[in-house]
Amino acid sequence: AAGVIQSPRHLIKEKRETATLKCYPIPRHDTVYWYQQGPGQDPQFLISFYEKMQSDKGSIPDRFSAQQFSDYHSELNMSSLELGDSALYFCASSNSGTSGGPLGLNTQYFGPGTRLTVL
Amino acid sequence: AQKITQTQPGMFVQEKEAVTLDCTYDTSDQSYGLFWYKQPSSGEMIFLIYQGSYDEQNATEGRYSLNFQKARKSANLVISASQLGDSAMYFCAMRDPYNQGGKLIFGQGTELSVKP
Repeated sequence: AAGVIQSPRHLIKEKRETATLKCYPIPRHDTVYWYQQGPGQDPQFLISFYEKMQSDKGSIPDRFSAQQFSDYHSELNMSSLELGDSALYFCASSNSGTSGGPLGLNTQYFGPGTRLTVL
Repeated sequence: AQKITQTQPGMFVQEKEAVTLDCTYDTSDQSYGLFWYKQPSSGEMIFLIYQGSYDEQNATEGRYSLNFQKARKSANLVISASQLGDSAMYFCAMRDPYNQGGKLIFGQGTELSVKP
């Protein structure tokens, strides 16, 4: 079965540089989520999109922005990178139509993550 | 506000034995969903099992089962017949019921080590 695709898998940047992370959700999934997981931490929600519109926003720095495109893929843009931005960035997708059934309430399926290292 | 608590930072289990990973949650909502994810050392987050607050039976998926005690607000993950490949970090999560975005709120995680 198709899974969530994230690119690149690894990214090394210098401080104050910019980075763009890409996410391709599972086909027919209409909601995309971005999470940030620092070393030894649990994932923290950044932002989500439903049908290409922002649906929720978490503790996402103003230096970060994101959007979902007409083909449902999403991009997380990160500017003025700081050392503290080094983390594993996950994209997840879900289908809002699956509100019941064996897979449960809008189960989110995660991509493999992009490991960002800021030097 | 919703909160997930996993009080076991690390657990050890002998191969082929069963293990229970604890998870308690706090919410004032009546309708909510609870999830367990596995994160191996390679980093990916793998969905394991889901329990809805109105589900009358405990969820099961193969060797994974969820011991759901609504009154106690606990949703413990039980792994039967542990395998070496079960060694990983395990996260309990709740879906935010108040927002259409439905973000997941995670616990701190439990690192499970399976001994041969």
